[in-house]
Amino acid sequence: ETGVTQSPTHLIKTRGQQVTLRCSSQSGHNTVSWYQQALGQGPQFIFQYYREEENGRGNFPPRFSGLQFPNYSSELNVNALELDDSALYLCASSLALAGASDTQYFGPGTRLTVL
Amino acid sequence: AQTVTQSQPEMSVQEAETVTLSCTYDTSENNYYLFWYKQPPSRQMILVIRQEAYKQQNATENRFSVNFQKAAKSFSLKISDSQLGDTAMYFCAFIAYSGGGADGLTFGKGTHLIIQP
Repeated sequence: ETGVTQSPTHLIKTRGQQVTLRCSSQSGHNTVSWYQQALGQGPQFIFQYYREEENGRGNFPPRFSGLQFPNYSSELNVNALELDDSALYLCASSLALAGASDTQYFGPGTRLTVL
Repeated sequence: AQTVTQSQPEMSVQEAETVTLSCTYDTSENNYYLFWYKQPPSRQMILVIRQEAYKQQNATENRFSVNFQKAAKSFSLKISDSQLGDTAMYFCAFIAYSGGGADGLTFGKGTHLIIQP
């Protein structure tokens, strides 16, 4: 186990709805990254938060947004859900020192199904 | 932009055999990390091994070792004495050292490794 937890485990939503996924980082880690993993694919980077600010973003639209809290837990919010948003959402925590990234440790993921 | 290519969608070997998973990558960066992650059917992504690009020595973790060829941009994973618990999807991943890794990990599409009893 990595010490990274995510909730909920599974979620079913309908098209157009909004969803919030949560992640608790490994103790001592100050950086969290979110990934989307479609079925049969490798994870794709959504964004990264460092010290409560977004400091990197992949090729995802603005309806994907996030928050990082002072205790380094994090949320991923997706508005106006589309069928293609159905995927496993992974968060990963790491310790960044002096701007350098370290190994990312992943949580178990949240399986989102959009109907 | 960085790309990671895993050319073997699926591999199957007998228990106790040695297996090598291939990975190639493309980048203009000089300082970066490479990783192999394992994702068992239970789906939690687990770090297998990590390699810093500036290190010439290949990383080793127990039965797992890598063959890192920086000039060829190749990063293969060798699993010795394979075990049934090694059955999983294996992902090769890259992250640039500069910029604090703010571009995130770039993953390959994965290799499904099946260890047969």
